[in-house]
Amino acid sequence: TQLLEQSPQFLSIQEGENLTVYCNSSSVFSSLQWYRQEPGEGPVLLVTVVTGGEVKKLKRLTFQFGDARKDSSLHITAAQPGDTGLYLCAGAWSGGSNYKLTFGKGTLLTVNP
Amino acid sequence: SAVISQKPSRDICQRGTSLTIQCQVDSQVTMMFWYRQQPGQSLTLIATANQGSEATYESGFVIDKFPISRPNLTFSTLTVSNMSPEDSSIYLCSAGGANVLTFGAGSRLTVL
Repeated sequence: TQLLEQSPQFLSIQEGENLTVYCNSSSVFSSLQWYRQEPGEGPVLLVTVVTGGEVKKLKRLTFQFGDARKDSSLHITAAQPGDTGLYLCAGAWSGGSNYKLTFGKGTLLTVNP
Repeated sequence: SAVISQKPSRDICQRGTSLTIQCQVDSQVTMMFWYRQQPGQSLTLIATANQGSEATYESGFVIDKFPISRPNLTFSTLTVSNMSPEDSSIYLCSAGGANVLTFGAGSRLTVL
């Protein structure tokens, strides 16, 4: 079983602060995805990274895939209350099906105004 | 990306009963999956719903407890059988292509 360790599990910050969420594994992933989930909704895909060392930006969110494709990070600059939600990383591992994802435990982010 | 509708969105059920959750996708998709998300927790894959054949279950999940149907490329059902309070959870349907998964809003089940 492929495992993804995500940290921190909880994060409460003030509006305007920066934060980073980490996702680590001992396995090599063929791709890694980040989702955000709001209460009462299903997870919504933010980004997919597939190449080691890849960096993708989505407005104030920066996603990075480690060179060895075993880890990833999500950095949010100048967080806003609208960023509040559960952030999940999910990996498709090399040698398996690209459609079957393993999810991390999630990071529950609260941005206070 | 595909739009997924799930129903019911929530239900309260009695111990020992069964409930079927429906998942409708607005376009034909090859892969459909069912996940479980317990309160405050991450997602655990229950099974892959295969069109025209038996679902593929993950470790810890069995067909007798979670029978799945996939009659065509746009529809699937998950039944939670002989429910107990431990089955209280959010059940999520998803559909995907390469490196992309779209989720329904989930069905929140409470078993008394």
